[in-house]
Amino acid sequence: AQSVTQLGSHVSVSEGALVLLRCNYSSSVPPYLFWYVQYPNQGLQLLLKYTSAATLVKGINGFEAEFKKSETSFHLTKPSAHMSDAAEYFCAVSNPGRRALTFGSGTRLQVQP
Amino acid sequence: KAGVTQTPRYLIKTRGQQVTLSCSPISGHRSVSWYQQTPGQGLQFLFEYFSETQRNKGNFPGRFSGRQFSNSRSEMNVSTLELGDSALYLCASSLAFERGRQETQYFGPGTRLLVL
Repeated sequence: AQSVTQLGSHVSVSEGALVLLRCNYSSSVPPYLFWYVQYPNQGLQLLLKYTSAATLVKGINGFEAEFKKSETSFHLTKPSAHMSDAAEYFCAVSNPGRRALTFGSGTRLQVQP
Repeated sequence: KAGVTQTPRYLIKTRGQQVTLSCSPISGHRSVSWYQQTPGQGLQFLFEYFSETQRNKGNFPGRFSGRQFSNSRSEMNVSTLELGDSALYLCASSLAFERGRQETQYFGPGTRLLVL
């Protein structure tokens, strides 16, 4: 069985500050890992994905994440927060051969002016 | 290329009724997955269809069912609605190759179902 834990249901940062959203996973096989963002009243938009290529993955809107097998982590970072980054962020895992995604509980990011 | 579309966007039903939600995948995508999103349980996988066949199913009661048509469009049905079925139902499509190579899932805007 696979699972995802997102530490911190709410994170608040100042505009221009570093964004760090934490994700730890549990998987019996090498996983595929994803970060999605959800804006109010919208579906999920893919930010980035890890599929066993480079461990540092760059995504859209300046976000990136690093896969650390030894720590079973896939934390999402952005050097400088923008007001438009305020949204809910979901980390997800799937296993090779299975398309079903297992999601974390989400982290709501608030950006203060 | 048009994204994933879901209809209707909003729906109000009463307990005991049934409901059908529709999803049109991105052109060329052959796999459609459905997810339920609620404040209490978060995002949970319902089922996945590929080539008109259910390939994977989550841990939901038999009241939840789905199907996929030859044009890859998919519908999900919930019978005998309960209050707890109130949720945002998200559809996601992906290219999907037979051997299960991981392809990105692209999500639609969802159908928000309220059961009274």
